[in-house]
Amino acid sequence: QVQLRESGPGLVKPSETLSLTCTVSGGSLINYYWSWIRQPPGKGLEWIGYIYYSGSTNYNPSLKSRVTMSVDTSKSDFSLELSSVTAADTAIYYCARVRGNGWYGAFEIWGPGTMLIVSS
Amino acid sequence: EIVLTQSPGTLSLSPGERATLSCTASQSVSSSSLAWYQQRPGQAPRLLIYYTSTRATGIPDRFTGGGSETDFTLTISRLEPEDFAVYYCQQYGGSPRYTFGPGTKLEMK
Repeated sequence: QVQLRESGPGLVKPSETLSLTCTVSGGSLINYYWSWIRQPPGKGLEWIGYIYYSGSTNYNPSLKSRVTMSVDTSKSDFSLELSSVTAADTAIYYCARVRGNGWYGAFEIWGPGTMLIVSS
Repeated sequence: EIVLTQSPGTLSLSPGERATLSCTASQSVSSSSLAWYQQRPGQAPRLLIYYTSTRATGIPDRFTGGGSETDFTLTISRLEPEDFAVYYCQQYGGSPRYTFGPGTKLEMK
């Protein structure tokens, strides 16, 4: 059974770059699309972007200038970097797998999420 | 950008009752690109329905999705205590590739 687990620093200072990793266990990264989604406290869900196991990416235009995603199939993980963070980036960050073998699908498997607070 | 709105914002019902949640898109959405998620407090969202009406693995048949073009619904036929949660609709295929509705909170009366 495929499981996802996010990991990150928990706290980042304003203007710095946040880095999060999602580790995939019980299955392979190969042939799937992998997404990052975030949820500010008490608010709704926002899609950040996705990455294919080959490394191709697509980002939400609202965040595109600050987002970089990467994948490491040898470690079975993929990562998110978000630069120039502000308090508005405080949120629970989730990673998820897209259903099927294309990007066009629902998010069928989610990690438990990791809280990221931006504060000095 | 395809904007999704959900109504009502909050729905107060009792166990055993029927719940109907609505999701309206700002432009037509393919029936193959509409999904519903359930999020319980402190948990990650869980996929309930994809392709507008196909239940995800392990989802009980009291959950039914339907609709077309700009109007979609999620119906829970007989509410169980564990069904009280927040529900989000989602579309995929527009720009940005994925957007979510603001959610409907289903609370116990």
